[in-house]
Amino acid sequence: RKEVEQDPGPFNVPEGATVAFNCTYSNSASQSFFWYRQDCRKEPKLLMSVYSSGNEDGRFTAQLNRASQYISLLIRDSKLSDSATYLCVGHTGGFKTIFGAGTRLFVKA
Amino acid sequence: GAGVSQSPSNKVTEKGKDVELRCDPISGHTALYWYRQSLGQGLEFLIYFQGNSAPDKSGLPSDRFSAERTGGSVSTLTIQRTQQEDSAVYLCASSLFDRVYEQYFGPGTRLTVT
Repeated sequence: RKEVEQDPGPFNVPEGATVAFNCTYSNSASQSFFWYRQDCRKEPKLLMSVYSSGNEDGRFTAQLNRASQYISLLIRDSKLSDSATYLCVGHTGGFKTIFGAGTRLFVKA
Repeated sequence: GAGVSQSPSNKVTEKGKDVELRCDPISGHTALYWYRQSLGQGLEFLIYFQGNSAPDKSGLPSDRFSAERTGGSVSTLTIQRTQQEDSAVYLCASSLFDRVYEQYFGPGTRLTVT
């Protein structure tokens, strides 16, 4: 089983829709989680951190559920510019970073 | 300021040849990572450098892969006797010592082994 797993999608949603992605992790010692965004043929860029209390940034909300070992990313009022691949990242407290394979999102006009 | 830079941006090589990929991290960033991303796949951790500490090489797929970091700054990833399965985008990222989870990525080197 992969340490970090994501639904690869793709998710096809219309503009204005709300969409949610989940990411599961297998190592219960994992401490910190992050979401990165990667545009087509570009490098990943940090989107937001996810802590036990969750995190909200504008239209984006990230939640952590330790009991079920998953994190989620919720995007409200989707924009065309949100089309990208969203990568879930986990850390066990060391320096090795484990990336999920990513979830592809297409927002349509 | 300047971001992470990588060179070359594209590299086509013949099977069996050696290649060197270069990464220039953001000035002042002591942590440096190398990743590999195959087509349609996620990022695969290769190696991690932090300051003058011994690197974490646990992600290197074989002994054909090696990396150095000179003077705590520029890093070179070397692949010897390249194979077709080495074809991928090789990404470098750097971060501050105390914020290793906030990584800034370079544009990557696209390696094609023919």
